[in-house]
Amino acid sequence: DSGVTQTPKHLITATGQRVTLRCSPRSGDLSVYWYQQSLDQGLQFLIQYYNGEERAKGNILERFSAQQFPDLHSELNLSSLELGDSALYFCASSVSGTGKVNTEAFFGQGTRLTVV
Amino acid sequence: GENVEQHPSTLSVQEGDSAVIKCTYSDSASNYFPWYKQELGKRPQLIIDIRSNVGEKKDQRIAVTLNKTAKHFSLHITETQPEDSAVYFCAAREGAGSYQLTFGKGTKLSVIP
Repeated sequence: DSGVTQTPKHLITATGQRVTLRCSPRSGDLSVYWYQQSLDQGLQFLIQYYNGEERAKGNILERFSAQQFPDLHSELNLSSLELGDSALYFCASSVSGTGKVNTEAFFGQGTRLTVV
Repeated sequence: GENVEQHPSTLSVQEGDSAVIKCTYSDSASNYFPWYKQELGKRPQLIIDIRSNVGEKKDQRIAVTLNKTAKHFSLHITETQPEDSAVYFCAAREGAGSYQLTFGKGTKLSVIP
C-alpha cells in the first residue's frame, strides 16, 4: 500500500457525461500529480498541484480540470466525456516542492474510467 | 519543459540474462531520476532512483547509471527472473519550478523461462 488513495477504482459512464476522480495523498505530501494512461500507453502527465496551488500543466484537455483542497486531497474533473477518454487515471503524491526536491513519488492504485 | 526518451519499447530476454533499458533527458537542470515498474493492471512502483550528484547506484540485481554530461541514464537488471516481466518507466524531475516528473514511454520487458 503506497498510502495514496484513489476513488473510485472503477467508473463506467456514458459519452457526454461528467465525472470526478478523487485522490488523497500520503500524509505529509504536498504535491499531487495526475497522470492518464491509455491502453498500452505510457504515463501522460496532466497536471500538478502543490499545497493547493496549480504548479504545472501537461497535456490536459480543456474539458478536464482539477483542484487541490486545503486538506490536500485533490479532485480531477472530466466533462463532456468522449470514448477516447477511457483510460487509467493515476494520482501520485510526493513531498516535493520548495526546499525538498529529490523525493519519491508514490502512486495510487488508479481509477479505471470506461466511457461507453 | 523536460522531454524523456526511452528505449527500447519492448525487450525479451532469456531467464538469467541481463536486461538494459536506456533513457535520455533534455533539461540539464533535472536532478532526480527514478525508475518505476508497473505490472499489468497495477500501479507504478519505484524500484530504484538516482540523484544527479551520483553516477551509479545498485540494489541487489538492479543498478542505475547516470551520465549528466550526455544527459543519459540506464537501468540494468542482472540474472533476470520471470517475475521481472513488467513495464518499466524511467522519469526525470525538474530541478526547479514545478519539480514535475516527466516519464518515458515505457519498456515492456519479457523474461522467457
